[in-house]
Amino acid sequence: DVKVTQSSRYLVKRTGEKVFLECVQDMDHENMFWYRQDPGLGLRLIYFSYDVKMKEKGDIPEGYSVSREKKERFSLILESASTNQTSMYLCASSLIGGMNTGELFFGEGSRLTVL
Amino acid sequence: AQSVTQLGSHVSVSEGALVLLRCNYSSSVPPYLFWYVQYPNQGLQLLLKYTTGATLVKGINGFEAEFKKSETSFHLTKPSAHMSDAAEYFCAVTLTSGTYKYIFGTGTRLKVLA
Repeated sequence: DVKVTQSSRYLVKRTGEKVFLECVQDMDHENMFWYRQDPGLGLRLIYFSYDVKMKEKGDIPEGYSVSREKKERFSLILESASTNQTSMYLCASSLIGGMNTGELFFGEGSRLTVL
Repeated sequence: AQSVTQLGSHVSVSEGALVLLRCNYSSSVPPYLFWYVQYPNQGLQLLLKYTTGATLVKGINGFEAEFKKSETSFHLTKPSAHMSDAAEYFCAVTLTSGTYKYIFGTGTRLKVLA
């Protein structure tokens, strides 16, 4: 089974702090994603990466950056956390090309509270 | 542009009753369609998916969905609700495999009453 592991399930940070959210997948997937989930808004794409060192902005990239130095690891960085970034963050991965059907595999989520 | 609409942000059913969660999409080309489930404080997991072929798709935990192109719908059903089905359900669409462009609905929270 594909496993996507998010390093922190719950974090509490202060405004202005730098925050790192780490995600590791163990199935050699090319694509990795960071989503933000808020009640009534569904999932919104922050960034995605289709290869090592490659990244593309999603729908709401402002205030975030990402890093993908190794294929299995995709990090989300909040350079200066703000209260409006309090949310659930979900990492996902998927295969690309061939017979794959685009299924996303999700981690368990990281619930971030910014005070 | 693609979009996904889930009717009803909250749905309540009695245990043993039919579950029907509605999903309508808009897409200029035939899409790939997914239903995901999210249990409290967990990530999303795939319930079922439609890519090509048979329009009635069976998934895990007794759920199924039917792709109706004429109605642009992909409603999720289960004949008999169980308490363990209480969760949030998300419909999602993408145009083709190997793409990053997944569009999610806003979710439907299912409550199962004893």
